[in-house]
Amino acid sequence: GAVVSQHPSRVICKSGTSVKIECRSLDFQATTMFWYRQFPKKSLMLMATSNEGSKATYEQGVEKDKFLINHASLTLSTLTVTSAHPEDSSFYICSALGGLGYTFGSGTRLTVV
Amino acid sequence: AQSVTQLGSHVSVSEGALVLLRCNYSSSVPPYLFWYVQYPNQGLQLLLKYTTGATLVKGINGFEAEFKKSETSFHLTKPSAHMSDAAEYFCAVSENNYQLIWGAGTKLIIKP
Repeated sequence: GAVVSQHPSRVICKSGTSVKIECRSLDFQATTMFWYRQFPKKSLMLMATSNEGSKATYEQGVEKDKFLINHASLTLSTLTVTSAHPEDSSFYICSALGGLGYTFGSGTRLTVV
Repeated sequence: AQSVTQLGSHVSVSEGALVLLRCNYSSSVPPYLFWYVQYPNQGLQLLLKYTTGATLVKGINGFEAEFKKSETSFHLTKPSAHMSDAAEYFCAVSENNYQLIWGAGTKLIIKP
């Protein structure tokens, strides 16, 4: 079956630093990857859609200079939260679209202190 | 525009009782419909999906859902709740099998 590995699962960082989250499709090629953010007690919010080899498409209200997305290969996409602030603390989930449909990563709990 | 409505942010049932989580959608074309489950601090796991064909879809962990076009619904059911079913459940719809539109989620609470 399709597997997506997302790392790290938890990260604590200081305000002002940057954090990189990786999303890898282990046994399939994902031409498209999605990045979601989940706010407490609320549903998933799509942040951006990334296609391999091209610039990500960001949803309205998402700062592209703050949330840098790179999709350099068919199996890897990264989300970098730059100059993190406490309000960036959240649960981030990636999803990869492959031949079998969507497969989600296990999520990353980011805490900015 | 597509939208998904999940009735009830919290649903509480007793262990062994029927689980019913409601999902209604709006779509201009026949949609693809999904139910996902999220356990605490974990990512999403696909429970089941409807694309075409049989309207009653069976998924993992004893869950099933029925696509009712006339009611624009895709309610999730399980005959007998288990403590391990406690989680958050999300309904999602896609018109193009590409981008998902999500419901707000329903937290399922199982009472012993």
